[in-house]
Amino acid sequence: GAGVSQSPRYKVAKRGQDVALRCDPISGHVSLFWYQQALGQGPEFLTYFQNEAQLDKSGLPSDRFFAERPEGSVSTLKIQRTQQEDSAVYLCASSLDNYNSPLHFGNGTRLTVT
Amino acid sequence: GESVGLHLPTLSVQEGDNSIINCAYSNSASDYFIWYKQESGKGPQFIIDIRSNMDKRQGQRVTVLLNKTVKHLSLQIAATQPGDSAVYFCAENRNDRGSTLGRLYFGRGTQLTVWP
Repeated sequence: GAGVSQSPRYKVAKRGQDVALRCDPISGHVSLFWYQQALGQGPEFLTYFQNEAQLDKSGLPSDRFFAERPEGSVSTLKIQRTQQEDSAVYLCASSLDNYNSPLHFGNGTRLTVT
Repeated sequence: GESVGLHLPTLSVQEGDNSIINCAYSNSASDYFIWYKQESGKGPQFIIDIRSNMDKRQGQRVTVLLNKTVKHLSLQIAATQPGDSAVYFCAENRNDRGSTLGRLYFGRGTQLTVWP
């Protein structure tokens, strides 16, 4: 596709369940970012990949959050033992390179933990 | 109409008027800035960017102004249309030691509402 694709668009999980969120970046984009967006707030950085290497995971809120990009294209964000405070929109973004290139965002996955 | 960044997160303008959305940033090492538009249920959409070696950049109906002296960024939308209604975010790339290159820091956003 022409843009960043994320699935599922919506996910409802019961507290304690594990979830996996998928991101298909724009083909050829080296850099991939995950952001978390709470209601009424701007996106907050979670983690960054350059190809398959996870170069920055300083934004992950706890060790329940894990991200991977094993082949340098598709990425998965996994949240274990979900908590209510994990409810948010999870945005994936990619860019051609990581030097002053705009990030192109997907439409996100809205996670609701009940 | 004009907003003042985080202290006035909503801006209402009449169709056809010009809009000005403001943003303040704090990191003097920031060297790249982007404005994004986010409609309900969608991800942020790139509008326009500017590098720190410029103070003005124009696109189609939009102009971004950068004042590095006072660390201020603005987005001007000419002849605002109902389709411009959305939340607008400014984002900065902090090019300082320890920052991940390409990582963007977002402001809270301004809700622009255009009424006929």
